[in-house]
Amino acid sequence: NAGVTQTPKFRVLKTGQSMTLLCAQDMNHEYMYWYRQDPGMGLRLIHYSVGEGTTAKGEVPDGYNVSRLKKQNFLLGLESAAPSQTSVYFCASSYDEQYFGPGTRLTVT
Amino acid sequence: AQSVTQLGSHVSVSEGALVLLRCNYSSSVPPYLFWYVQYPNQGLQLLLKYTTGATLVKGINGFEAEFKKSETSFHLTKPSAHMSDAAEYFCAVKEGTGGFKTIFGAGTRLFVKA
Repeated sequence: NAGVTQTPKFRVLKTGQSMTLLCAQDMNHEYMYWYRQDPGMGLRLIHYSVGEGTTAKGEVPDGYNVSRLKKQNFLLGLESAAPSQTSVYFCASSYDEQYFGPGTRLTVT
Repeated sequence: AQSVTQLGSHVSVSEGALVLLRCNYSSSVPPYLFWYVQYPNQGLQLLLKYTTGATLVKGINGFEAEFKKSETSFHLTKPSAHMSDAAEYFCAVKEGTGGFKTIFGAGTRLFVKA
């Protein structure tokens, strides 16, 4: 089992550009999550999904959109990147404990 | 509402010394409790979890934690620190099985001195 995978691992964007981060899990989990991690801020939940075709806002959803068209995939989109979105992004899936991907390090200049 | 408090954003111990990372939680229902570890440039990985049953749970790499309902605590311990234990540790709480909402603590960075 690959667990939770994320692509890409690194990305540099210019302000205003868009991109999509892809998360895939092979554990048949219903629940999936996107977090961002910034120094001194811990993990902050951006969006989450409780099943295929459903999404919901977390604590810091502004500037991000998500889609869960297939159970195994959860996409995070940035329509117009801003420097404040420079961060490390983690995807996770769960039944009880959460399984995390390796992260995507995004820099917006 | 659930919450998690980790006492101490940074803890420093000498190699071979006891590791104690503190976690207190609040939950209106019987909680599931977790400790995760994050090594540099990696995602979080599960160290151990408490769901039901025995209140002393053992995890990977010699770590263990004890669920104390009366103290609403779930402190993480390891008898003898190793240099490879240097990482960030997160305590988390979830409302029972099947639910999805997990609340993470702010994290404690463990430094191990030679």
